[in-house]
Amino acid sequence: AQSVTQLDSHVSVSEGTPVLLRCNYSSSYSPSLFWYVQHPNKGLQLLLKYTSAATLVKGINGFEAEFKKSETSFHLTKPSAHMSDAAEYFCVVSDVLAGSYIPTFGRGTSLIVHP
Amino acid sequence: DSGVTQTPKHLITATGQRVTLRCSPRSGDLSVYWYQQSLDQGLQFLIQYYNGEERAKGNILERFSAQQFPDLHSELNLSSLELGDSALYFCASSVGTIGNEQFFGPGTRLTVL
Repeated sequence: AQSVTQLDSHVSVSEGTPVLLRCNYSSSYSPSLFWYVQHPNKGLQLLLKYTSAATLVKGINGFEAEFKKSETSFHLTKPSAHMSDAAEYFCVVSDVLAGSYIPTFGRGTSLIVHP
Repeated sequence: DSGVTQTPKHLITATGQRVTLRCSPRSGDLSVYWYQQSLDQGLQFLIQYYNGEERAKGNILERFSAQQFPDLHSELNLSSLELGDSALYFCASSVGTIGNEQFFGPGTRLTVL
């Protein structure tokens, strides 16, 4: 069975400082991993995905994530936060089951950016 | 704009009623996924259809059902509604089924009174 744990329900940073959103996962197979962002009253948008290619994955808006199999982690980072980054972030693990990837979402991390 | 449309945006109904939520996937996408997002349960995968056939089932209640039509749009039917069914219901679509990026619609907010 697969699971995702987002270690922080809220992360608060100042504009211009680095962002770190932590995600640990468990999976029986070789998973695909995703980060999605949800702005208030909007649907989810894909930030980046890992599918067993390079372990450092670059996404949109300056975000990147590193897949560390030994630590079963897929943390999301950004060097410098912008006010527009304030949103809910979801880590997702997707494991093959009967020919289809079943996604499991973390509970989400709310990123708060202070001016 | 993801290219996925959902109707209606808001739905208010009473306990015991039945509602239908509609989703049109992005042009060219064959897979449709349904999710429920609530404060206490978070984002839960309900069901997936691929090219008209059910492909995967998640935490979907027996009171809920879905289908995907030949034109690839999908409907989620919720019956015998309970207060706890109040949530945001998202539809997403993707090209295939294996590790593809999912594109999410704006959601339907269901309120059961």
